[in-house]
Amino acid sequence: AAGVIQSPRHLIKEKRETATLKCYPIPRHDTVYWYQQGPGQDPQFLISFYEKMQSDKGSIPDRFSAQQFSDYHSELNMSSLELGDSALYFCASRRGGRYEQYFGPGTRLTVT
Amino acid sequence: EDKVVQSPLSLVVHEGDTVTLNCSYEVTNFRSLLWYKQEKKAPTFLFMLTSSGIEKKSGRLSSILDKKELFSILNITATQTGDSAIYLCAVEADFGNEKLTFGTGTRLTIIP
Repeated sequence: AAGVIQSPRHLIKEKRETATLKCYPIPRHDTVYWYQQGPGQDPQFLISFYEKMQSDKGSIPDRFSAQQFSDYHSELNMSSLELGDSALYFCASRRGGRYEQYFGPGTRLTVT
Repeated sequence: EDKVVQSPLSLVVHEGDTVTLNCSYEVTNFRSLLWYKQEKKAPTFLFMLTSSGIEKKSGRLSSILDKKELFSILNITATQTGDSAIYLCAVEADFGNEKLTFGTGTRLTIIP
């Protein structure tokens, strides 16, 4: 069965650089969630989109922005990267409002 | 603020043992509780619980929710080394606020 696809899987950036993470949800899934998981921590919700509109916002820094496109894929844009942004970034998708979220493999971002 | 507490934080047992993982929660407008298994990669969906007292079962894993006492348990019988992972509990609030709030997880280690 098709799963959530994230790219790239690994990314190394320097401080103050910009990064773009991409997420391709499971086909027919209309909602996308972004989570950040620091080392040894649980995933923290960043932002979500339903039918291309932002549906909820969590602890996402102002330096980050995201959007969902007409084909339902989503991109997380991160600017002025800081060392503390180094983490695993997960995208999850779900179909409608009554089903479970499925997670992608994550993008490991390292800021040096 | 929604809160999820898991216990124990860490558990080491021998192969063949039975384990019970606990999850208690406080959430406004509770909608569902989900269990995920996380090895070195993305959280893998296990169960979604919405109704009290109804056991969900998948092979050696089972889970039940008590909405009155605000907790859930995840049971694993006849444990195997492949069960070694972090087990995450997450709660979801009502429609329009569907982000998952995770607990810190229980790290389960199965010794051969």
